[in-house]
Amino acid sequence: EAGVAQSPRYKIIEKRQSVAFWCNPISGHATLYWYQQILGQGPKLLIQFQNNGVVDDSQLPKDRFSAERLKGVDSTLKIQPAKLEDSAVYLCASSQTSGSWNEQFFGPGTRLTVL
Amino acid sequence: AQSVTQLDSQVPVFEEAPVELRCNYSSSVSVYLFWYVQYPNQGLQLLLKYLSGSTLVKGINGFEAEFNKSQTSFHLRKPSVHISDTAEYFCAVSLDSSYKLIFGSGTRLLVRP
Repeated sequence: EAGVAQSPRYKIIEKRQSVAFWCNPISGHATLYWYQQILGQGPKLLIQFQNNGVVDDSQLPKDRFSAERLKGVDSTLKIQPAKLEDSAVYLCASSQTSGSWNEQFFGPGTRLTVL
Repeated sequence: AQSVTQLDSQVPVFEEAPVELRCNYSSSVSVYLFWYVQYPNQGLQLLLKYLSGSTLVKGINGFEAEFNKSQTSFHLRKPSVHISDTAEYFCAVSLDSSYKLIFGSGTRLLVRP
């Protein structure tokens, strides 16, 4: 079974530029998560989708971050404009459903460096 | 609000020695507890989980953890570590109502020959 796929694996941009990350969850998984992992910290949930609807985006900085999950499969996370403090690893995870406990499977992440 | 504390940022240990990675949490409601492992340049992998039942849970790769409600702890243990156990270990909690994961800051386990 294929795991969670993410691209690109690495991205370097200058502040005030925009960037987008892509995630393809495990086939059949209804729930998709985006986490931000700053160096030296644990992952922090940015947004959670159930199919193509948003379940929780309380920690998403909505003035610069946006995410979508069209058709309830792939998802894109965008940052516009980027700030230095956005340098982090962005992890995507998926699970079968959010209605009960189901294991979250994580992708390898995208490491973003903002100069 | 729920939070997770991993006091040890790095734990060095010799190969074949026992190890304990500490995790304490704060919550006023029932929680689920987890340990994840992150190898370099890889995503997180679930080591073990406590949802209910026996307070001693066994996971993959010979790891185990014990849920102690009175001390609000969920320490991870392994009786004999291998070089391949070198990685970052994250403790996490989840409310039984939302299943949202809240992670600690992580502990880097460094196994030396």
